[in-house]
Amino acid sequence: KQEVTQIPAALSVPEGENLVLNCSFTDSAIYNLQWFRQDPGKGLTSLLLIQSSQREQTSGRLNASLDKSSGRSTLYIAASQPGDSATYLCAVKGATGANSKLTFGKGITLSVRP
Amino acid sequence: EPEVTQTPSHQVTQMGQEVILRCVPISNHLYFYWYRQILGQKVEFLVSFYNNEISEKSEIFDDQFSVERPDGSNFTLKIRSTKLEDSAMYFCASSDTGGYSPLHFGNGTRLTVT
Repeated sequence: KQEVTQIPAALSVPEGENLVLNCSFTDSAIYNLQWFRQDPGKGLTSLLLIQSSQREQTSGRLNASLDKSSGRSTLYIAASQPGDSATYLCAVKGATGANSKLTFGKGITLSVRP
Repeated sequence: EPEVTQTPSHQVTQMGQEVILRCVPISNHLYFYWYRQILGQKVEFLVSFYNNEISEKSEIFDDQFSVERPDGSNFTLKIRSTKLEDSAMYFCASSDTGGYSPLHFGNGTRLTVT
C-alpha cells in the first residue's frame, strides 16, 4: 500500500529565503506525482505535475524534482513571499493506469514572515 | 480559467439523513473524482468515474455512498444515511486526459453531521 510522507509538518521562514519542501513515498511504481497548494478552507490548486519518466518541472519560482527510484520528490520555492504561505501537499498517482487514484501526504504548512 | 464548482459550500445534517453533494466539473473533462479530508487528516480518495461508470473506489466508499452524472454536466455524491464520522470536507475533482494532465479540484463542501 502506497504511503506518502511529508516532513516537517510546519515550517516558518523569513521573506526572501529559498526553501525546499520534501516528500517521500514507499512504492516507486507511480504514474506521476503532483504538488498542490491548499489555502485555509479552500480547495487544492495544482502547482506542478511530474510524469514518472521526468526528472523535474518548473513554473515561475517553483521547481519540483522527482527521484522515482529512491521514492523522493522536492518542491523548491525561490525567493519566498508572504503570499506563498499555505499548505503544500504532495500526491502520487498509482501505476495501475491514467485514471488511478492519488495518494496524498499530510502536507507541510508554510508560513513566510514579512 | 475554467473551474470545478461545488455546492453547497457547507451542509449541516442530522445523523441518519441523506445528503447529496453537487459538483459541476470543467466542461471538456472526462475523468471525475471525489476525495474527502477529515479535519487534521490527509486527503483521501473515495471514487473515480469515467465513461458513466465507476472506475475505482476505496474501502470508504461502501453501500452508503453512490455517485451519479445525471445530465452530462453535474456530478453528484450521495450519502444515504449519514454517520457522525462522515463529517469532513468533500472535494470533487476532474481532469481531461487522466494521468497526463493535472487534477483540478473544487473548493469543497464542508459536511457536518450532528
